[in-house]
Order: sequence, then structure tokens, then C-alpha cells
Amino acid sequence: QKEVEQDPGPLSVPEGAIVSLNCTYSNSAFQYFMWYRQYSRKGPELLMYTYSSGNKEDGRFTAQVDKSSKYISLFIRDSQPSDSATYLCAITSGYSTLTFGKGTMLLVSP
Amino acid sequence: DGGITQSPKYLFRKEGQNVTLSCEQNLNHDAMYWYRQDPGQGLRLIYYSQIVNDFQKGDIAEGYSVSREKKESFPLTVTSAQKNPTAFYLCARGEGDYGYTFGSGTRLTVV
Repeated sequence: QKEVEQDPGPLSVPEGAIVSLNCTYSNSAFQYFMWYRQYSRKGPELLMYTYSSGNKEDGRFTAQVDKSSKYISLFIRDSQPSDSATYLCAITSGYSTLTFGKGTMLLVSP
Repeated sequence: DGGITQSPKYLFRKEGQNVTLSCEQNLNHDAMYWYRQDPGQGLRLIYYSQIVNDFQKGDIAEGYSVSREKKESFPLTVTSAQKNPTAFYLCARGEGDYGYTFGSGTRLTVV
């Protein structure tokens, strides 16, 4: 079983839709959870950061962590064409390097 | 560039050649990382360094070498032993518990 699993997509939605992106993980020691956004031919940029379980909201973005299910989610409300990118989850125990999911490509059509 | 600079943006390598990718950071951070990204493969760790004059192999270190003689610089050499070097290479600096900040990447192509 891979440490972090993420559906590669692509996920295609119309503008204004609510988007749900997800990752599952296997190591219960993980406690720092991140989402990165990567535009084509660019480096990933940190979008959301969460420590341990719970929700965190930043504008149209909400990150959710369920440690009991080893499941993390990123929700995007009122999606825009500019949200079209690849979204990578990244997880660490704090004592190791980041473990990345393979990324989900999101396409938001006008 | 978020304080981390990769150069060049595009690089072409002939068969059997060694090439060096540059990564510089100006925020005095200790940890630096090199990743390779291929379509459908996600990010794969090549090497990382937590301190000057020390570095560790990642998951795919074969065919690559690094040095860390200065805190601000962590160059990656793609040697002729790397049989499939065409990829997008990303350098990052560590932000403690807050993940990494990535550079803008170098796209390496074998010609």
C-alpha cells in the first residue's frame, strides 16, 4: 500500500461548482497536512496547511483532516477557471521529509 | 520567486554529458531538497540536505549527485549514468513544520 493515494483525475467541473479533492494515507504518525497548487510548468505553491485533525478555511478554500479515517480533503467553493491546476496533497510526521500524493488535475470550464 | 531561484529554466543535454542545475536561496534556511517530476509520477525525492556539507539520498538518487558547500546553494548534477534524465526538476527549501517553498523549476531535455 502506498503511503499517500490521490486520484490523478482529470476532474472537470463548470465554473461556480464546488470541488472536492481527496487523499488517503496509511501512516498514523502523519500529523502535518498540506495542499499545494501547481500551475502548468511552474513550481508547486503552498495553498493550505493543517496540523492534526479538523477544518481550516481560507477564503474559498477549506481543508479538512480526518485522522481516524486517514483521509484529507480540499474543498473549493465557487470554482473559477483560474483554479485550473494540479493539486497535490503532502503529509509528514514532522520528523521526515514530505510525502506527496501524485496530484489531481482540475479543469474548471467557463 | 519566494526567495528560491532555479536556473536555467530550460536545459538541453546531449547523450553522455553531465549537466548541473542551480538552486539558490536567500533566506538562510538549513533544509533544501531536489525533486524530479514526471507526468503521472508525482514528485520523487532525489536528494536533500539539512545542513552544510551534509546530504542524504532520497528515493531516486542513482545517476545524480549534489553538493552543499554553502548554505544558500544546493546544485544538482545529472550524470551520464542517469539513463532517463528528461524531466522537470524542482528545488525546494524547508520551512520547518510548514512544508516547503519550491523554485520555479528546470525542464531538462535530452537531445
